[in-house]
Amino acid sequence: EDQVTQSPEALRLQEGESSSLNCSYTVSGLRGLFWYRQDPGKGPEFLFTLYSAGEEKEKERLKATLTKKESFLHITAPKPEDSATYLCAVRVSNDYKLSFGAGTTVTVRA
Amino acid sequence: GAVVSQHPSWVICKSGTSVKIECRSLDFQATTMFWYRQFPKQSLMLMATSNEGSKATYEQGVEKDKFLINHASLTLSTLTVTSAHPEDSSFYICSARGGDKQFFGPGTRLTVL
Repeated sequence: EDQVTQSPEALRLQEGESSSLNCSYTVSGLRGLFWYRQDPGKGPEFLFTLYSAGEEKEKERLKATLTKKESFLHITAPKPEDSATYLCAVRVSNDYKLSFGAGTTVTVRA
Repeated sequence: GAVVSQHPSWVICKSGTSVKIECRSLDFQATTMFWYRQFPKQSLMLMATSNEGSKATYEQGVEKDKFLINHASLTLSTLTVTSAHPEDSSFYICSARGGDKQFFGPGTRLTVL
């Protein structure tokens, strides 16, 4: 059975304190790994798609990397506005369905 | 680009009534839309896949007669929760497929009294 596990469950950071979130996956035939950001009471916002091991994507203070077993979302010098829940999802089939991890809730204090 | 809207953003209804939620892709056409539900502090659980012009495909354990999905056009999918009960109270989120990505709507908070 395909599994997506995110850690830690919650992360409290001081403004400027860089850190990484982990998404480990056990799937048969990865067709894409997706990172989303979700603010409370809102729908997820697309951040990145990674397709193959070694691939990296960057957007402002966020950088996503992918290996054959896991993905990392690095947050460099975070600001309070980076506070959100970050969701990782994998696509393994031709029908574009996504399986989501439980998410990591990041809180950045000023 | 890739904006998805949902209506209503929140709804309160009495037990036994039906509620319809609309999901629209505003600036792109989506042959495939997805419906999820999310309980507090939990992740998104896929309920069904909605394909334009054909019947929806439901995930295991989701009652198709309770959660009616219609995808009548390339920009609109609707989810109707029939005979709603308090246990159906949740945050319902739709997404529309654009290429290989899913773009999500803002969600609909359903409270059944």
